[in-house]
Amino acid sequence: DSGVTQTPKHLITATGQRVTLRCSPRSGDLSVYWYQQSLDQGLQFLIQYYNGEERAKGNILERFSAQQFPDLHSELNLSSLELGDSALYFCASSVSSYNEQFFGPGTRLTVL
Amino acid sequence: GQNIDQPTEMTATEGAIVQINCTYQTSGFNGLFWYQQHAGEAPTFLSYNVLDGLEEKGRFSSFLSRSKGYSYLLLKELQMKDSASYLCAYGSSNTGKLIFGQGTTLQVKP
Repeated sequence: DSGVTQTPKHLITATGQRVTLRCSPRSGDLSVYWYQQSLDQGLQFLIQYYNGEERAKGNILERFSAQQFPDLHSELNLSSLELGDSALYFCASSVSSYNEQFFGPGTRLTVL
Repeated sequence: GQNIDQPTEMTATEGAIVQINCTYQTSGFNGLFWYQQHAGEAPTFLSYNVLDGLEEKGRFSSFLSRSKGYSYLLLKELQMKDSASYLCAYGSSNTGKLIFGQGTTLQVKP
């Protein structure tokens, strides 16, 4: 158990819908990262927050957004869902931007 | 650029030693990470190299050469439970985000 929690574990929804994925970092970790893992793309960095502020953006679609709240938990919002958005979404946290990251168990999103 | 490359698949025998190589090209670098990932599960941290040389941690060791853009993960005394995907990633010097390779699927056979 890494100490990072993610909910829900599984999510099945239809194209065009919107979902919210939630992540709670390890106690004391200020940095939160979101990654997408699909079969053909491997682990892809989406976005990073540090102590409530956006720090870096990767290949994140405009239909996706995220935020980190004052209690440091983070949410990833995915809208206008497409079949290709089906993937595992991982959240990771670290003490700072320059330490190892610890991954949550992931949310498996299936878009039908 | 953000290129990182590792072999797709490897097979080894229980009790043996296996070396998984990783090469990378980046203009910003903040260390090389190795993660283990079992199918459908979260990646788990194995090792981190920021300086050149070998880091040993039990049955696992990792090596880094920054000038060559090269790292390897060495697994000794292989066990069946070591069958997994091994992910190489470098940290971005700007933000700390990780750029992952595609992963190497290791199959350990009896």
